[in-house]
Amino acid sequence: KQEVTQIPAALSVPEGENLVLNCSFTDSAIYNLQWFRQDPGKGLTSLLLIQSSQREQTSGRLNASLDKSSGRSTLYIAASQPGDSATYLCAVTRRYAGGTSYGKLTFGQGTILTVHP
Amino acid sequence: GAGVSQTPSNKVTEKGKYVELRCDPISGHTALYWYRQSLGQGPEFLIYFQGTGAADDSGLPNDRFFAVRPEGSVSTLKIQRTERGDSAMYLCASSRDSYNEQFFGPGTRLTVL
Repeated sequence: KQEVTQIPAALSVPEGENLVLNCSFTDSAIYNLQWFRQDPGKGLTSLLLIQSSQREQTSGRLNASLDKSSGRSTLYIAASQPGDSATYLCAVTRRYAGGTSYGKLTFGQGTILTVHP
Repeated sequence: GAGVSQTPSNKVTEKGKYVELRCDPISGHTALYWYRQSLGQGPEFLIYFQGTGAADDSGLPNDRFFAVRPEGSVSTLKIQRTERGDSAMYLCASSRDSYNEQFFGPGTRLTVL
């Protein structure tokens, strides 16, 4: 059974710092990995999706890397801002025989990020 | 274009009552997913539809939970004889197909008193 772990559980940084959020998964047979942001009491906003054949994806100040063989992904946030404060979730989908995926996401518990002015 | 929408945004009900939660996916998305999120936890998978059919309902916790998608667009999650433990945020997501990025709705916060 796939298990996804996110470290740290919470992180507080001053504005302007670069930071790294970590995600690990136990089963390397993944189809893709997705990073999400969730504001309190709200739904999830997709940030980046990395296919299993890719090593990284970038969007603005965000960069996500994937090392499938070691079961790890990192989300790098450059020049953090108070508006980045939220819970960040990573999730993976399973790759089945024949390379198919049903898209069912298995989530970690999230990292609560606080960026203070 | 319009994103995934869910109604109601909040639902308060009493133990033992029946509730329906609705999800409107992004137009043209064939894959639709329901997840449940308890406070402080990541979302957990409930059920996946490809078109009108439930391709994977392995996450439904028991037979009080049922979901339909009769025309391959809107989906309704139905919970019978609600229990206090059903209180959670119910999230719906859709994607072009099961291989692509999932887009989530704002969720329905269900509270069972």
